[in-house]
Amino acid sequence: AQKITQTQPGMFVQEKEAVTLDCTYDTSDPSYGLFWYKQPSSGEMIFLIYQGSYDQQNATEGRYSLNFQKARKSANLVISASQLGDSAMYFCAMRDEPGEVGYSGGGADGLTFGKGTHLIIQP
Amino acid sequence: EADIYQTPRYLVIGTGKKITLECSQTMGHDKMYWYQQDPGMELHLIHYSYGVNSTEKGDLSSESTVSRIRTEHFPLTLESARPSHTSQYLCASSNTGGIADTQYFGPGTRLTVL
Repeated sequence: AQKITQTQPGMFVQEKEAVTLDCTYDTSDPSYGLFWYKQPSSGEMIFLIYQGSYDQQNATEGRYSLNFQKARKSANLVISASQLGDSAMYFCAMRDEPGEVGYSGGGADGLTFGKGTHLIIQP
Repeated sequence: EADIYQTPRYLVIGTGKKITLECSQTMGHDKMYWYQQDPGMELHLIHYSYGVNSTEKGDLSSESTVSRIRTEHFPLTLESARPSHTSQYLCASSNTGGIADTQYFGPGTRLTVL
């Protein structure tokens, strides 16, 4: 079974500062993907960034980067130069993936989510 | 940018009523999903579909049912709503072979059963 742990229920950050949101995961699958989503108060889930377990480099998407440390099973999200509009819930998620080895092919393709971190950017 | 729609956005209904939550996507994605999210909590997968006429139950047991008669449409039905069904329901879709098979979400339906 897969498990995602987000240990920061809430964070307050000053505008323009960088922020790191923690995510650790547990899985027995050799091939998996890690995702971060943003959920504003309006409720929709917005995809931010993806990291594959076999990717050699950390993923980056604009102001978002993923600090992937496979041996430590962590996939922290880094937001550079935070903005007021970054205030939201942030969810780390994972799923088993077809890979070069070991894909079971069974079960849901659904994502396993962490409990989220509520980020508040202060002016 | 994802093109996935959910209606209604908000629904308040009495116990015992039958309800259908609509989800449609215009991206031609083969896979679709329903997640349930209680306030302030994580999402849990309740149903998914690999394509037309394919439906499977997810990790979280749910009294709801789904159907997939058309690729773009994945409605969720509750035959008899109860207060315990009060939650947010999020629909998502993804494309096999797409980048990371990334799931894109609709805006959600907030359901309140009185």
